[in-house]
Amino acid sequence: DAKTTQPNSMESNEEEPVHLPCNHSTISGTDYIHWYRQLPSQGPEYVIHGLTSNVNNRMASLAIAEDRKSSTLILHRATLRDAAVYYCIRGALDSNYQLIWGAGTKLIIKP
Amino acid sequence: DAMVIQNPRYQVTQFGKPVTLSCSQTLNHNVMYWYQQKSSQAPKLLFHYYDKDFNNEADTPDNFQSRRPNTSFCFLDIRSPGLGDAAMYLCATSREGRTQHFGDGTRLSIL
Repeated sequence: DAKTTQPNSMESNEEEPVHLPCNHSTISGTDYIHWYRQLPSQGPEYVIHGLTSNVNNRMASLAIAEDRKSSTLILHRATLRDAAVYYCIRGALDSNYQLIWGAGTKLIIKP
Repeated sequence: DAMVIQNPRYQVTQFGKPVTLSCSQTLNHNVMYWYQQKSSQAPKLLFHYYDKDFNNEADTPDNFQSRRPNTSFCFLDIRSPGLGDAAMYLCATSREGRTQHFGDGTRLSIL
């Protein structure tokens, strides 16, 4: 199956780091790994993406396994506003218009 | 702020009565997408426009059509809505298939 695999839900305490895993064992060499998140009653928003190397931006970090069969989205210090569904997505380089969405992980932040 | 705007946020229609959902963007992106999202599921791509070129997903029902009269606007037409078409409809844009920017969606209910 070309889709990614994620846990259905995860819980974390506020102000602690969160590691969201994703498996994509059938990923091809040209597929990017994207993460989007969807807050309640909103459309998805871009978080981060990468191909082979680990990536950092102001929102999060993306750690990609050396064999590229898995990756981890890292929120360094979760806040209540980070409670959302996080989608791990494959994006084919040769078909950049199509994102192959995982089922998403619902992240619950406990105060 | 540049953005993707979907109107209305909530739409109610009757079984079999045609309905049109609208999307506008101020980002001047050349690619526009329509997604369907059912409860607790990931968004599902229906079709996209690359400039004026229309690209339909293989499993998008014939009941769904789209129009893009200019760069800024895109419409989703559902010719004869059935109960199974009740969902959130998301519009997104991107520049050349890169990061997608989503609107907050239109929630469609069928009576």
